[in-house]
Amino acid sequence: EVQLVESGGGLVQPGESLRLSCTATGFIFSAYAMNWVRQAPGKGLEWVSTISGSGGSTYYADSVKGRFTISRDNSKNTLYLLMHSLRAEDTAMYYCAKDEGTETPNYLDYWGQGTRVTVSS
Amino acid sequence: DIVMTQSPDSLAVSLGERATITCKSSQSVLYSSNSKNFLAWYQQKPGQPPKLLIYWASTRESGVPDRFSASGSGTDFTLTISSLQAEDVAVYYCQQYYSTPLTFGQGTKVEIK
Repeated sequence: EVQLVESGGGLVQPGESLRLSCTATGFIFSAYAMNWVRQAPGKGLEWVSTISGSGGSTYYADSVKGRFTISRDNSKNTLYLLMHSLRAEDTAMYYCAKDEGTETPNYLDYWGQGTRVTVSS
Repeated sequence: DIVMTQSPDSLAVSLGERATITCKSSQSVLYSSNSKNFLAWYQQKPGQPPKLLIYWASTRESGVPDRFSASGSGTDFTLTISSLQAEDVAVYYCQQYYSTPLTFGQGTKVEIK
């Protein structure tokens, strides 16, 4: 059974940094791209970033490019999102989602329960 | 960026009746080399993460009830719930994966009338 468990969310002040983690079980982690998708309170879904199975390719939404870094440790079956210079508009539930594909972003076949990030002074 | 527009924003349907949601993309998501539409549908129930329902525009994910069906090609797509059940109350999103950035529709909230 595929399971994705996010952690690392919390309350931070504008301009601060935060690192999210997602631990995966139930599939061959290195064989699949992984994604972060966020959802602001009461709003829709916004794709944030994708990393290929090998970690060699990364993709970002313009809204986070240059501030967020996606990475993975295939030896630990863990996905990360390092977020710098956080803004109020980054406040959201952040979901880790398994990609159907290996290299480029595709459809997302499994999702974690999410970790909440609140950016506020 | 490919903009995904769903309609309606919300709809209320009686139990056992049909619910239909449309999704329109600002450009075609049909990849000519393999004739596949890079379009997925997700269901998000209150307090839960999204769940994949449909991929390649019309392929039902394993375990998804057959009352859920989807069709369309190019820029126009439809998700149909043939006989609405109480457990289908949710927000439904379409998503294109033809190109980055991946983009979602704004969501359609389905309720019981």
